[in-house]
This record gives sequence, C-alpha cells and structure tokens, in this order.
Amino acid sequence: DAKTTQPTSMDCAEGRAANLPCNHSTISGNEYVYWYRQIHSQGPQYIIHGLKNNETNEMASLIITEDRKSSTLILPHATLRDTAVYYCIVGGKSTFGDGTTLTVKP
Amino acid sequence: GAGVSQSPSNKVTEKGKDVELRCDPISGHTALYWYRQRLGQGLEFLIYFQGNSAPDKSGLPSDRFSAERTGESVSTLTIQRTQQEDSAVYLCASSLQPGLGNNEQFFGPGTRLTVL
Repeated sequence: DAKTTQPTSMDCAEGRAANLPCNHSTISGNEYVYWYRQIHSQGPQYIIHGLKNNETNEMASLIITEDRKSSTLILPHATLRDTAVYYCIVGGKSTFGDGTTLTVKP
Repeated sequence: GAGVSQSPSNKVTEKGKDVELRCDPISGHTALYWYRQRLGQGLEFLIYFQGNSAPDKSGLPSDRFSAERTGESVSTLTIQRTQQEDSAVYLCASSLQPGLGNNEQFFGPGTRLTVL
C-alpha cells in the first residue's frame, strides 16, 4: 500500500471550511484514497473514500487531483466537534501514520 | 451486531505475563484488522484476516505477537511475555468486503494495555 504525507497540524475558525491536504505520490492505479478521523480516546471513524472522481457525502467532500498524487478533504462548515486527528490512507490495510490534528477554534 | 466490540476495555499486566485481547467484528464482515496505537502516535498495522485466506502478518513486531480468527467471527490477539513497550491501545476493525473500493473499516473502541 502506498504511503501518505499529511501536515502535522492545522487550525480552522468555526463555521469556515477546513481543507486538509494529503500527498500520495506513489499511489497505484487501482488504489482508493480513504479518510478517517479520530476524536480523542475513541476509535477512528470512516469519513469518505474515492478513486479518481470527486466525492461528497453528508460529512465531507473529497477532491482528488487528476494525476491522483494528492487529495484534499473538505469540511464545508467546521464545528468545534470536528476537532480531531484526520488520517488519509491509500488502499486497504495500512499503517495510518500520524495524521493531521485539526483544531477548530471559536 | 451493532458494531465492533473489544474486550477487555482496559488491561493492566505485569512484565513477562501473557495477555489475550478479543475482538468481535460486525456480523457478515469478512475482513478483520488489528492495529496498535501508542500514546500520541498514529495507528500501526499489525495483522489482517480475510475469509479463509492466510492472514497477512507483515505488521507483527515480534514473534511474541500472534493472532487467530475463527472463520469470519471472533479474533484473539495474544502477546506473550509482555514488555513495557507493548503498552498501547490495541484497535480492531472489520470491513464488509476487502475489494479495493469497498474497504471502509469500522473500528472498535480498543483495549488499553498497560504493562507495569
């Protein structure tokens, strides 16, 4: 499974869009990109996934670049409850890495 | 079932003792994963089961770690002769079908292991 690179931390103002980037330059043609988040002391929660088309669900949107080497998770109107560690992984079984700690501020 | 369950929720043991951690996946989920999460760090993949296929043990850190799964149900992660560096939260996840586009993992609450 391809490795991913994410910024260590990000801040976002409450009510604004949070855009979380992920680089996966070694992704192979048939590997999906998955996003999860982990709120303190809980197990990770699935958010969204995609292959090459942009995806949207009730939680977030996923934008994947045409070359598939990077993607961005968008939380359109961040709330304080969105404060969490966000993980981007590629393929199936993978070490999740350290993710991005998103802090939403009032 | 309603979700992935794990037991015990907390386990304190003495160095050198063996421990067994249990995971009950969601009914019907064919794939099961074990991860280790040390304090302040990401999830480290340990082992993966898929149906009757041989498990992927590539993430197990040493031969003190082993896991079994009975069919497509319960899994047990065993750590022998525990060491202090084994202290972590051990997370289990299951997914419906491990096809490339259908691999959404559902996580349990984890077992917090403390080795004194």
